[in-house]
Amino acid sequence: EVQLVESGGGLVQPGGSLKLSCAASGFTFSGSAMHWVRQASGKGLEWVGRIRSKANSYATAYAASVKGRFTISRDDSKNTAYLQMNSLKTEDTAVYYCSSGGMDYWGQGTLVTVSS
Amino acid sequence: DIQMTQSPSSLSASVGDRVTITCQASQDISNYLNWYQQKPGKAPKLLIYDASNLETGVPSRFSGSGSGTDFTFTISSLQPEDIATYYCQQYDNPALTFGGGTKVEIK
Repeated sequence: EVQLVESGGGLVQPGGSLKLSCAASGFTFSGSAMHWVRQASGKGLEWVGRIRSKANSYATAYAASVKGRFTISRDDSKNTAYLQMNSLKTEDTAVYYCSSGGMDYWGQGTLVTVSS
Repeated sequence: DIQMTQSPSSLSASVGDRVTITCQASQDISNYLNWYQQKPGKAPKLLIYDASNLETGVPSRFSGSGSGTDFTFTISSLQPEDIATYYCQQYDNPALTFGGGTKVEIK
């Protein structure tokens, strides 16, 4: 059974940093791209970014709204993807989901609240 | 970035009705389009990939069509369990983008 479990969410002040994790199991993690998608309360889905596999040089891509502030990485030995979020703004408040390459599997999400 | 314009933003239909949602891309995306269903408090669920391919396990009342810039998602006979918000999403461009969503309610 495929499982994606996000962790690391919480309350952070504007300008602060937070690192989310996405632990994967049940599929060949090392061969899969991984995405991060977020959803503010009552709003639609927003793609945050993705990281490709080693075979694709771990290439990353980001939404314009987070480029330069957020960094996606992965540790294939731990079957885990990460989202490092720096210079956080109140508008980054959302539930953050990780998803596998074809976006056919999703985690349950972790809530990030940016507030003073 | 490619903009995805989804309509309507909400609709109300009766059980058994045919429901149609459209999604228009701001440029040609070939068939690189997914459709998702999202129920309150839950993660999105992939229903349709490559514009018209039904994900394994998804009921056949769901279908998708289109290519280029214009796409359609159809529920052939609306069921009570289909109450949800539906999203299109393009993956032609490295920067993926979602449509604004369509909230489907029962009349």
